Amino acid sequence: AQRVTQPEKLLSVFKGAPVELKCNYSYSGSPELFWYVQYSRQRLQLLLRHISRESIKGFTADLNKGETSFHLKKPFAQEEDSAMYYCALVTGAGSYQLTFGKGTKLSVIP
Amino acid sequence: EPEVTQTPSHQVTQMGQEVILRCVPISNHLYFYWYRQILGQKVEFLVSFYNNEISEKSEIFDDQFSVERPDGSNFTLKIRSTKLEDSAMYFCASSTLAGGPWNEQFFGPGTRLTVL
Repeated sequence: AQRVTQPEKLLSVFKGAPVELKCNYSYSGSPELFWYVQYSRQRLQLLLRHISRESIKGFTADLNKGETSFHLKKPFAQEEDSAMYYCALVTGAGSYQLTFGKGTKLSVIP
Repeated sequence: EPEVTQTPSHQVTQMGQEVILRCVPISNHLYFYWYRQILGQKVEFLVSFYNNEISEKSEIFDDQFSVERPDGSNFTLKIRSTKLEDSAMYFCASSTLAGGPWNEQFFGPGTRLTVL
């Protein structure tokens, strides 16, 4: 069965510092990877997905199949980046269900 | 911008009672989902629904759970006889058909279910 691991429950960084939120997955096939974000008192929303190869709000994520990782990075953290970040995957084998990690709370210190 | 809505925002019930959680997906979406998040734990998939039938369900989605699309807009999750361990935040989500599993799922704000 597939699994997503986010090793950090909480990550605190200073404004302007680089951010890296770690995500590792286990699945024998080729899953599609996502990052979802939940800002305070808001709903869960898509931040970015691997298939789109996009940069959203300065965040990027690279899929490393060798290390089975999909870490989220941003060179300079902003206060408005403070939120809960969830890494997730779909297996794509006819399945639409998202498998989530436990999430990492990012706190950007002014 | 269209959004998924859920009612109620908070439901308190006694153990053994039936509850129905309601969702209105985005109007042109065809895939519907329920997830739940027990406090302090990860968001877990319960069930997906397409073309008026269940497409997938997890081990959590046992005989106590059912889903229904009673009309053209609502999507409901029923728990027949609630247990203490059903206390969680329940999220509804929807997505379009085009693009398949890689599509963004749009989440509702959640219903917090408390079973006493």
